[in-house]
Amino acid sequence: NAGVMQNPRHLVRRRGQEARLRCSPVKGHSHVYWYRQLPEEGLKFMVYLQKENIIDESGMPKERFSAEFPKEGPSILRIQQVVRGDSAAYFCASSPGQVGNTIYFGEGSWLTVV
Amino acid sequence: DQQVKQNSPSLSVQEGRISILNCDYTNSMFDYFLWYKKYPAEGPTFLISISSIKDKNEDGRFTVFLNKSAKHLSLHIVPSQPGDSAVYFCAATVLTSGTYKYIFGTGTRLKVLA
Repeated sequence: NAGVMQNPRHLVRRRGQEARLRCSPVKGHSHVYWYRQLPEEGLKFMVYLQKENIIDESGMPKERFSAEFPKEGPSILRIQQVVRGDSAAYFCASSPGQVGNTIYFGEGSWLTVV
Repeated sequence: DQQVKQNSPSLSVQEGRISILNCDYTNSMFDYFLWYKKYPAEGPTFLISISSIKDKNEDGRFTVFLNKSAKHLSLHIVPSQPGDSAVYFCAATVLTSGTYKYIFGTGTRLKVLA
């Protein structure tokens, strides 16, 4: 199964700690998207990355959140000094990058801040 | 500014009947549309897509209709099955400043009654 792999699936952090979420795209896909789903809400775009570049981070909170997609290894979504409002499901998706191509999602990472 | 809207948060349908899920959008530059299905605690799964140059695309029990003049998209599921019970998201994409962003609606929860 060469689908989008996300880990950890579940993460519990205390307020003020850091959360790191990882995403390995479909083999051969060079574009990664991160979305957040708050309880009872839809999928909100956060950031779009290509290898080593952030293409669009207009949906990312200005503080405490950062994302990277290095040349080697998975994409990382990092949340510093987590607060209770960061509790959500974080989904990563990948695509080859051409318009008209479907983006494929991972199973998600559920962050709970206590 | 919600560019993709799913105005019905929920829908109940009898098994064997047709399910019709609706989606409206505001940006006439969107050129590709997708539907995803999501079960609880799982990632969204791609269902079907349609290019803006078409008005219909069919795949088994699933058909997507696009009415560009009305900026309206619909997903028909015939016949509906209990396993179709899930949240359905529509999404649209457009090339903007060299990047592709996939904008999702807030989802419609479909319940198929046995």
